[in-house]
Amino acid sequence: DSGVTQTPKHLITATGQRVTLRCSPRSGDLSVYWYQQSLDQGLQFLIQYYNGEERAKGNILERFSAQQFPDLHSELNLSSLELGDSALYFCASSVFDRGGGYTFGSGTRLTVV
Amino acid sequence: AQSVTQLGSHVSVSEGALVLLRCNYSSSVPPYLFWYVQYPNQGLQLLLKYTSAATLVKGINGFEAEFKKSETSFHLTKPSAHMSDAAEYFCAVSDSGGYQKVTFGTGTKLQVIP
Repeated sequence: DSGVTQTPKHLITATGQRVTLRCSPRSGDLSVYWYQQSLDQGLQFLIQYYNGEERAKGNILERFSAQQFPDLHSELNLSSLELGDSALYFCASSVFDRGGGYTFGSGTRLTVV
Repeated sequence: AQSVTQLGSHVSVSEGALVLLRCNYSSSVPPYLFWYVQYPNQGLQLLLKYTSAATLVKGINGFEAEFKKSETSFHLTKPSAHMSDAAEYFCAVSDSGGYQKVTFGTGTKLQVIP
C-alpha cells in the first residue's frame, strides 16, 4: 500500500456520461497530480494541485476538470465521455510542489462503452 | 522543454544476466532524473532518483543508475536479473528547480527468461 488511495478501482460507463474519480494523497503530502495512461499515448500529465490551488496543467481536455479540497483529497471529473477516454487514470502525491519523487496510487481503470 | 527517450520498448534478459535499460534526457536546465517501475495492474513505484548529488544513484531492489552529463544519459542497471524484476520501467525528468511537472518516457517492458 503506497498510501495514495484511489477510488473506484474500475469504472465502466457509456459514452456521453460523466464520472468522478477520487484520490486521497499520502498523509502529509500537499501536492496531487493526475496522469492518464493509455496504450497509444503512454503516461500523460493532466493537472497538478498544491494545497488546494491549481499549480500546473498538462494535456487535459476541456471536458475534464479537477479540484483539490481543504482536506487535500482531489477529484477528477470527466464529462461527455468518449470511447477514447478509456484508460488508466493515476493519482500521485508529493510533499512539495516540486522536486519529483511522486507516490502513485494504484489507479482507476475507466472503460467507456 | 524537457523530455526523456527510452531506447527499446521491450528488453529480454535471462535470469541472472545483467539488466541494462537505457534512458537519454533533454533538458535546458540541470535535471532531476527518476526511474519508476510498474508491475501489472499496479501504480508506478519510485526506484531511484538523481537530484544533483552523487552521480551514481542506488535504488531499491538492487537497481542503480548513473548520471552522465556528457552523454545526457541516465541508464538503469542491475547486475543479476530476477524473475520478479519483470515489469515496465519508466524514466522521467524534472528540472532541478522542480518547478515543472515530471515528464515520463514511454516505458520499457522487461522480460526475464528463466
